[in-house]
Amino acid sequence: GAVVSQHPSRVICKSGTSVKIECRSLDFQATTMFWYRQFPKQSLMLMATSNEGSKATYEQGVEKDKFLINHASLTLSTLTVTSAHPEDSSFYICSARQARLENEKLFFGSGTQLSVL
Amino acid sequence: AQSVSQHNHHVILSEAASLELGCNYSYGGTVNLFWYVQYPGQHLQLLLKYFSGDPLVKGIKGFEAEFIKSKFSFNLRKPSVQWSDTAEYFCAVMPTGGGNKLTFGTGTQLKVEL
Repeated sequence: GAVVSQHPSRVICKSGTSVKIECRSLDFQATTMFWYRQFPKQSLMLMATSNEGSKATYEQGVEKDKFLINHASLTLSTLTVTSAHPEDSSFYICSARQARLENEKLFFGSGTQLSVL
Repeated sequence: AQSVSQHNHHVILSEAASLELGCNYSYGGTVNLFWYVQYPGQHLQLLLKYFSGDPLVKGIKGFEAEFIKSKFSFNLRKPSVQWSDTAEYFCAVMPTGGGNKLTFGTGTQLKVEL
């Protein structure tokens, strides 16, 4: 079955540094990729939707200058947390949508646990 | 590491039929459990979640799920489905205590026919 690869799975960084998270669809073309954030004791929060070749659409309250999303190809989207701070520590997960003739199918990456010291 | 299995990949039902989608997880400790839904052309929405307490959880749109700890299961149910329930459904698990890694099942595509 289709696989979405997300790297790194865990990253620890110092406050003020930038962290890039990659999301790759390994055997299909993902026209749309979603980036989510998971807080403890809460449900997933959609951060942004990215479509290949166009600017990402950010949800209300998500700083687009802080969370840079690039969807340069049909198989790769990246999320860069710029000038990370401890409050950015969270679990980030991407998903990729494979368009099919009859319906759409969504696949999830394994997630990235970000810890900012 | 935790894992989630959704055994039904595709389900086709007629309107008013009852629905039950299976979800089993593998993890040695306590977990939080979720069911999410993705309607065509939209992003994920939370249907319901279990953190603690009553193992029978009621969610939006008439959905409910029961956490059976001994079976490591969290099956989703709805007594009478509607055409508008056509969507993809995902079960997810998150260990409690330390970190918030969420693991999704592979999803079940539900098609409700008129």
